Amino acid sequence: KAGVTQTPRYLIKTRGQQVTLSCSPISGHRSVSWYQQTPGQGLQFLFEYFSETQRNKGNFPGRFSGRQFSNSRSEMNVSTLELGDSALYLCASQKGQGVNYGYTFGSGTRLTVV
Amino acid sequence: KNQVEQSPQSLIILEGKNCTLQCNYTVSPFSNLRWYKQDTGRGPVSLTIMTFSENTKSNGRYTATLDADTKQSSLHITASQLSDSASYICVVSEGSGTYKYIFGTGTRLKVLA
Repeated sequence: KAGVTQTPRYLIKTRGQQVTLSCSPISGHRSVSWYQQTPGQGLQFLFEYFSETQRNKGNFPGRFSGRQFSNSRSEMNVSTLELGDSALYLCASQKGQGVNYGYTFGSGTRLTVV
Repeated sequence: KNQVEQSPQSLIILEGKNCTLQCNYTVSPFSNLRWYKQDTGRGPVSLTIMTFSENTKSNGRYTATLDADTKQSSLHITASQLSDSASYICVVSEGSGTYKYIFGTGTRLKVLA
């Protein structure tokens, strides 16, 4: 059974550029959430998608956006990159919507902004 | 404000020794509590999940306890191994139907040979 797949694994961008990260959830999982992880802040919730609809959103600026496709795959986009956006971006999927299902995380995309 | 606090922030132990990590939370209403292990540069992996009525849950050398009255949980690691070196994250789920997960900032464990 394949896990949650995130691509690319590593990415280096310059300030002002934009970036798109991809996440393929476990087959059958319809909920996908995105997190930003930095050494000082821990895991910060970005947004959650369920059946192509954004259901929850964290406290991040509008430069951070996402979407989910009909096959449950999700993409996250960050525009006008800033140095502070350097982080590990984690995607997690779960079978349904609700806290009883539990997350399975991907290995993350390490984004470095220079 | 719903919060999850973990202690210690970091810990160094010798291989073969036991250790206990702490998690205190103020999340209400409470649904469940999970412990995750995160290796450096990887995504977190679930170790245990406990609901309100469960006091203890084991997964190999990992044993989690939950005291819902005092809103405390602990993760005990027995006979530590070098591969236990990782960050351990406590995650508490709200039970209000908002589908919210509140993450602790983690305990960084280093096991030395």
